[in-house]
Amino acid sequence: AQTVTQSQPEMSVQEAETVTLSCTYDTSESDYYLFWYKQPPSRQMILVIRQEAYKQQNATENRFSVNFQKAAKSFSLKISDSQLGDAAMYFCAYSRGTSYGKLTFGQGTILTVHP
Amino acid sequence: ETGVTQSPTHLIKTRGQQVTLRCSSQSGHNTVSWYQQALGQGPQFIFQYYREEENGRGNFPPRFSGLQFPNYSSELNVNALELDDSALYLCASSQRAPDTQYFGPGTRLTVL
Repeated sequence: AQTVTQSQPEMSVQEAETVTLSCTYDTSESDYYLFWYKQPPSRQMILVIRQEAYKQQNATENRFSVNFQKAAKSFSLKISDSQLGDAAMYFCAYSRGTSYGKLTFGQGTILTVHP
Repeated sequence: ETGVTQSPTHLIKTRGQQVTLRCSSQSGHNTVSWYQQALGQGPQFIFQYYREEENGRGNFPPRFSGLQFPNYSSELNVNALELDDSALYLCASSQRAPDTQYFGPGTRLTVL
């Protein structure tokens, strides 16, 4: 079974600084996708970024970028120029390529942004 | 474009009762997945529906059941509620491909 591990229960960052959230996963599949979702106190899970395993290039969405290390099964999220609105629980998630999007989530990392 | 909506927002039930939660998928999406999120935990996959048929199930007992309707909206039914069923229930919709999941705001269920 696939597992996703987030080893940092909590992280904090100063506004305008950069922070990196860690995620490792375990799978024997070659076709899969990785995601970072953000869940603010409003509870709605918001997609931050998506990475296809077959792509060597790391995904980027504005201030958010990933470091995808396929051999190490590592998938970290870098948030640049942190903003107060980035404060939330961040979840790393995995889906097998043939699973039609069924997600396996990590335990989450609470990110605090200090003004 | 209308996003994923869920109702009700909050619900309080007592042990042994039954509950139905509802989800309307995002426009253009034909697949709905349900997740259970206990407090402080990551969501756990319950099941997925595609074109009104169950298409995969997580490690949840049969008292968790669902439906998908022709308009792709969906219901999650839980019978014989237990205290451990207290959680946030999230619905996510997607296209078949790409299959990125888009989530609704969730229903907070409290079982007393």
